[in-house]
Amino acid sequence: GAVVSQHPSWVICKSGTSVKIECRSLDFQATTMFWYRQFPKQSLMLMATSNEGSKATYEQGVEKDKFLINHASLTLSTLTVTSAHPEDSSFYICSARDPGTSGTAYEQYFGPGTRLTVT
Amino acid sequence: TQLLEQSPQFLSIQEGENLTVYCNSSSVFSSLQWYRQEPGEGPVLLVTVVTGGEVKKLKRLTFQFGDARKDSSLHITAAQPGDTGLYLCAGAGRLNSGYALNFGKGTSLLVTP
Repeated sequence: GAVVSQHPSWVICKSGTSVKIECRSLDFQATTMFWYRQFPKQSLMLMATSNEGSKATYEQGVEKDKFLINHASLTLSTLTVTSAHPEDSSFYICSARDPGTSGTAYEQYFGPGTRLTVT
Repeated sequence: TQLLEQSPQFLSIQEGENLTVYCNSSSVFSSLQWYRQEPGEGPVLLVTVVTGGEVKKLKRLTFQFGDARKDSSLHITAAQPGDTGLYLCAGAGRLNSGYALNFGKGTSLLVTP
């Protein structure tokens, strides 16, 4: 159980275009999902917390107009990188909290990540 | 500001050796998780520790949560090449932090045959 998928697994786009990344919880309903960014050989940096049916909460320094997050259902959150630039190239990872099992342990289950390359 | 400090940052050892990775903070956490990540993949949850002083074992891996719930350690016995990866500790449950995890910078482990 507690499987999270991401699509696409990798994407190459041209500078100035927008890219949408999907994050799905496959066998549980996730009221809360998280989006992270990771640079090579570094740890995960939390970008935003996505809550089903409400606006996402962005971390300090993350542009909410550039990284659009939508959590329209209990199993799907999307991250859209708008007007992408080469510096947006990174590994984007989502995670989801399964309230049925996490309880007070705050466990998160991660997707496999999406490698974005902006040329 | 990194709430969780992991050490060492890099570790290269030979197969069969033992190692310990440390995760320290000045903050108290309700729980702490250890994840392992391989290149190009998402982190995989190894264990969650909740109670101060708790010790959990997962085959050759031993996890300990400090009595004050501010620190944790991961000990690997007789490391194998398959243990190679990035080990991440993450704390959760700080006041006003919601469900978000605070990650350490990670320990990159390389086990050579």
